[in-house]
Amino acid sequence: GEDVEQSLFLSVREGDSSVINCTYTDSSSTYLYWYKQEPGAGLQLLTYIFSNMDMKQDQRLTVLLNKKDKHLSLRIADTQTGDSAIYFCAERVPDSWGKLQFGAGTQVVVTP
Amino acid sequence: EPEVTQTPSHQVTQMGQEVILRCVPISNHLYFYWYRQILGQKVEFLVSFYNNEISEKSEIFDDQFSVERPDGSNFTLKIRSTKLEDSAMYFCASSEISETTLGYGYTFGSGTRLTVV
Repeated sequence: GEDVEQSLFLSVREGDSSVINCTYTDSSSTYLYWYKQEPGAGLQLLTYIFSNMDMKQDQRLTVLLNKKDKHLSLRIADTQTGDSAIYFCAERVPDSWGKLQFGAGTQVVVTP
Repeated sequence: EPEVTQTPSHQVTQMGQEVILRCVPISNHLYFYWYRQILGQKVEFLVSFYNNEISEKSEIFDDQFSVERPDGSNFTLKIRSTKLEDSAMYFCASSEISETTLGYGYTFGSGTRLTVV
C-alpha cells in the first residue's frame, strides 16, 4: 500500500535555507505535492512535481525528486518567519480518482 | 483567487447526534473530496465524488457517513450518529476535471473542526 514518511520537526534560522525531506513507497506515483498549513488554516498547495521531472524551481522553492530512491525534498531559500508552518508531502495514489496520500507533516519553526 | 469555503469553522456536538458539514467548492471544479485530520495525526482521505456519485471511499467512510451535492454549489458531509472518535478537522477539497489538471493539485478549504462531546 501507499505510505508517505516525513521527519516531524525542523528548526531553522531566519535567512538560512530549509530542507524538508519525504519518502514515499509507490513507485508508480505520477504527481507529488507539497502543502503548507499555517495555524488554524487549511492546506495551501505550494508546489507539485510530475514524476518525469527531477527538479522544479518556483521562486524561493526548489523541489527535488529522486525517483530511484523514492525521495522528495522541498528547499526553501532565505527562510522567513512567515514560513513557520507545517509542511505536508503528498502523493497522488495511482489508479484512484485523485486520492492523495499525505505524510504526517513536518513542523518548521523559523527563529530570528 | 477562487476559494473552497467551509462552514461552520467549528462545530461542537453531542455523541449520537447527526452533523452536516458544508462546503462550497470552486465553481468550475467537478471533482470533490472530503479528508479529515485527527489531532496530531495524518490527513486521511475519506471520499471522492464526481458526477453526482461517490467515486471512491476509504475504510473510514462507513455507513455512518454520507455525501451529497444538494444543489449546484454545495457539497455536504453528513455523519449520522457521531462518536467521540469522529472528533477531527474535516477538510473539503475540489479539483478540475481533466487528467492533466488533476495533477495541478487540489484546492482545500480551511476546514471544520468537529468536536464530539
